[in-house]
Amino acid sequence: DIQMTQSPSSLSASVGDGVTISCRASQGIGNYLAWFQQKPGQAPKSLIYAASSLRSGVPSRFSGSASGTDFTLTITSLQPEDFATYYCQQYNTYVPTFGQGTKVEIK
Amino acid sequence: EVQLVQSGAEVKEPGQSLKISCKGSGYSFTSYWIAWVRQMPEKGLEWMGIIYPGDSDTRYSPSFQGQVTISADKSISTAYLQWSSLKASDTAMYYCARLDGIVKPSIDYWGQGALVTVSS
Repeated sequence: DIQMTQSPSSLSASVGDGVTISCRASQGIGNYLAWFQQKPGQAPKSLIYAASSLRSGVPSRFSGSASGTDFTLTITSLQPEDFATYYCQQYNTYVPTFGQGTKVEIK
Repeated sequence: EVQLVQSGAEVKEPGQSLKISCKGSGYSFTSYWIAWVRQMPEKGLEWMGIIYPGDSDTRYSPSFQGQVTISADKSISTAYLQWSSLKASDTAMYYCARLDGIVKPSIDYWGQGALVTVSS
């Protein structure tokens, strides 16, 4: 299986801050990388697919980028509703795999 | 509006069987893969398998092959996840999700989740 490693595991930030979450694949996955947001007690929500394409309805403060096997989710100007756990997922292989999650907490 | 509505929470004893459901609406149910994803308490997301309701083509993650059965009834736009003999370690939240795309589809919509608790 392809391993997806996210960093950091958690971070504290303030409303208005910009944050960056990293996700590294253990081998090449092309751009078959998605990002999801999950708030406590809720189902995940799809944010980004194909490494950098925003899902419909997702605010433009969210963006994704890719460089080889390294992927980044950037949130510019954090809003109160953005405090959540974020997961990356590769879907290049028969068995897609998720990162372990990054919890974004309020400072 | 695309919606995936899952069946409710279940409390079962070890050894019992269970079938949970995921009903799709607002789109052509037979034209999109449905995935099942497990989330154990306070843990991350795990891919269980997928089904294409149009022809019931089903693919399992090796970790879940033989442990669960994924099926679908396209006449009522519903996918299922079932166990024949539950274990305490099956306690988790289970999500269904729709996959969008042709070559390598990705999740676009999620169900609200179904909590399964297995305890004696």
